[in-house]
Amino acid sequence: GAGVSQSPSNKVTEKGKDVELRCDPISGHTALYWYRQRLGQGLEFLIYFQGNSAPDKSGLPSDRFSAERTGESVSTLTIQRTQQEDSAVYLCASSLYGSAGEQYFGPGTRLTVT
Amino acid sequence: GENVEQHPSTLSVQEGDSAVIKCTYSDSASNYFPWYKQELGKRPQLIIDIRSNVGEKKDQRIAVTLNKTAKHFSLHITETQPEDSAVYFCAARVTGGGNKLTFGTGTQLKVEL
Repeated sequence: GAGVSQSPSNKVTEKGKDVELRCDPISGHTALYWYRQRLGQGLEFLIYFQGNSAPDKSGLPSDRFSAERTGESVSTLTIQRTQQEDSAVYLCASSLYGSAGEQYFGPGTRLTVT
Repeated sequence: GENVEQHPSTLSVQEGDSAVIKCTYSDSASNYFPWYKQELGKRPQLIIDIRSNVGEKKDQRIAVTLNKTAKHFSLHITETQPEDSAVYFCAARVTGGGNKLTFGTGTQLKVEL
């Protein structure tokens, strides 16, 4: 079946512009996560959605970052007034259950802020 | 919050040798420890995981050990092959913390012919 998909695969934007990244989780997966991976670094947790519960936003680095999820489907991560330090690969993952399921990752969106 | 440290950052072994990657975690409430493999330019993929109620788990050439008292866990790859070359990440999940994973900084494994 289809895995987690993300779009766009690459995004180049000018400093100060807003960007929107999209994630389509595996159908039926109730949990969805966003991570950031800077070049040569590990994965940094950003935000977690589980069903209809309030999202865990504890990893968002600033108020320029926000994310939404419609039900148990698509999620968008928005970065406002982008800065050069926002350049990274943004990875989305989904899992079948919030607390017990394996996380399946999407291919990521490589964001470059010039 | 949880903190995961991973060592070494780079590891080079000869084909056929074993490779060991070690991680420590800070939160004793952590109960799930997955390992992900990430090939260059690709997405991370789960290769093995262990839960806090067991001390060791093996899957063919890959094994993971967990020492809850010392709060560390390790990945063991035996009979390494060139296709094992990748970056490996350990992670930990805290009980009651949803399914949020805290990742280590990664180990670049290179298997040389």
